[in-house]
Amino acid sequence: GIQVEQSPPDLILQEGANSTLRCNFSDSVNNLQWFHQNPWGQLINLFYIPSGTKQNGRLSATTVATERYSLLYISSSQTTDSGVYFCAVFWGETSGSRLTFGEGTQLTVNP
Amino acid sequence: NAGVTQTPKFRILKIGQSMTLQCTQDMNHNYMYWYRQDPGMGLKLIYYSVGAGITDKGEVPNGYNVSRSTTEDFPLRLELAAPSQTSVYFCASSQRGRSTEAFFGQGTRLTVV
Repeated sequence: GIQVEQSPPDLILQEGANSTLRCNFSDSVNNLQWFHQNPWGQLINLFYIPSGTKQNGRLSATTVATERYSLLYISSSQTTDSGVYFCAVFWGETSGSRLTFGEGTQLTVNP
Repeated sequence: NAGVTQTPKFRILKIGQSMTLQCTQDMNHNYMYWYRQDPGMGLKLIYYSVGAGITDKGEVPNGYNVSRSTTEDFPLRLELAAPSQTSVYFCASSQRGRSTEAFFGQGTRLTVV
């Protein structure tokens, strides 16, 4: 099956700092999503981004499908950005497509 | 709009008991999924379904069963609960597997003692 690797595994920032999270995947994918899991365990959809660049407020994401990676940028971080960020990819033939997750990046933003 | 709804939110089971985790979606999505998340880990796929009457195994199906009799509902059955099944369970849906966004329920936290 496909391998999805996220880096770094842990990241500690001071409020106001910027950061870049990376997601590498081992095969061609049909879809890629970024999620934020908040401290209450809820999974929040951030971006659906199979290719190209998208921005939503202080967050933006870029996927370069041909080189098999995606980046999530967080600017001017806030304490509410803390939590785990997951990258997930859809792969395989239509009938067998499944969403495979990376192990996540644990982000802590200190005041 | 409710999206993906899971019940219950929390449950404690004794070893050997059985239970069904309920999942329903109101977005008319074809694809539905069950994942488990162990502490500090990513999500692992248990079972998925591409439409009513069709289900298939994911990475970690042992100890679980599913059915999909309607588009809306995708229950997960645990038979003979074991401590190794202590986890948070997430249900998700998407319109089509390859090309559209997946949405998740709020999760069910299950403890087996």
